[in-house]
This record gives sequence, structure tokens and C-alpha cells, in this order.
Amino acid sequence: AQKVTQAQTEISVVEKEDVTLDCVYETRDTTYYLFWYKQPPSGELVFLIRRNSFDEQNEISGRYSWNFQKSTSSFNFTITASQVVDSAVYFCALSWGDDKIIFGKGTRLHILP
Amino acid sequence: KAGVTQTPRYLIKTRGQQVTLSCSPISGHRSVSWYQQTPGQGLQFLFEYFSETQRNKGNFPGRFSGRQFSNSRSEMNVSTLELGDSAFYLCASSFPAGSGNTEAFFGQGTRLTVV
Repeated sequence: AQKVTQAQTEISVVEKEDVTLDCVYETRDTTYYLFWYKQPPSGELVFLIRRNSFDEQNEISGRYSWNFQKSTSSFNFTITASQVVDSAVYFCALSWGDDKIIFGKGTRLHILP
Repeated sequence: KAGVTQTPRYLIKTRGQQVTLSCSPISGHRSVSWYQQTPGQGLQFLFEYFSETQRNKGNFPGRFSGRQFSNSRSEMNVSTLELGDSAFYLCASSFPAGSGNTEAFFGQGTRLTVV
């Protein structure tokens, strides 16, 4: 069965520190997609990144970077030089088959000024 | 371009009642998915509609149902409300396929409280 584990329930760091959010997934499918979403206090989820199972290239977008490692079934998300505006709940998600999707429990990130 | 619109934003209902939530997707998007978010269970997929047909369904009782209209707007209905149905309900739209392998755009959610 498919599963997404975000072991870190809550993280607090001081502004400007780097922080990594972990995501470990389980699936027997060879074709799947991984996502990260941000949920700010306003409630709506904001798409951050999508990665398919055949693309293990790491990606950097400004202060955000993602490390996808199939060998360890992990898709970790790093925020460099964190800012208070990064405070939110972050969700990792796995999609497979005919657009089925499951989300991790989320990691609540607090960036302290 | 207008985003995904969910109405109402807040709702209080009594146990046993039924409720209908609405979601208007981004213009041109044909897929609408619904999610339930609770502190205990996190974000759970309810169902997805594409071209007025339910394509995927999560593991929820039959009290939870939905439909999609020809203009892609979708409604979600919960009958015989239980206290445990109190949650934040989110919908997402995407184009052209489901939210599984394309970027999904989420609405601001509906906070449902059952008393």
C-alpha cells in the first residue's frame, strides 16, 4: 500500500537558519509523482513542486531546494535562510495510478524572528 | 484569472442535518477534487470529478457524495452529519487531468462545524 510519512510534526527555527523537512514514501508502482504543498494560515494549499519517479534530479528554486532519492524513498525539502513568511504547514504527497493521491500528515514550521 | 472559489467559507450545522458545499474551479479546469482536513487524520482525499464523472473515490462512507456540473462547478454533500464530520474541506481544480499528476490549485476551504 502507498504511504507518505512526514516524521517531523512541528519544527521551530530562528530566522535565517536553514531547515530541512523530511518526506519518506512507500509505493510499489514504478510510475508515480511526488509533491510538496505549503498551507499558510489562510488555509489554501499552495503548490511548490512536482517530481515524477523517473526524474531524480534535485531542484533549486530561490531559497527552496528539493532532494529526491529513490534509493531511500525520500523527497526532502530544504529552505535556506528561512524567513518568517515561510511559517506554514508543509505537506508532502504521493500520486500514482489513475491520479490517486495521498498526503503526509504535514509538518508545521515556525520561523522565529 | 479568478482562482478556485469555495462557498461558504464557514458553516455551523447540527448533528443529523445535511450540508452542501460548493466549489467553482479555475476557468478551463475540468477536474475538481475534494479533501477533508482534520487535526487527527490530516488531509484526506474524498473524491475527484472529471467531466461530470467521478473518477476516484477515497475511503469515506456513503454519506459523503458529490457531483459535477457541465460548467465544471462541483458540489459536495454530506448527509446525516456527525460530530466527527467537523473539519476543513478543501477543493482543488486542475487541467486537464486529475490532481494526481498535475499541479492542483486549491480553494480557501470551508470550515464546517457540527454541533
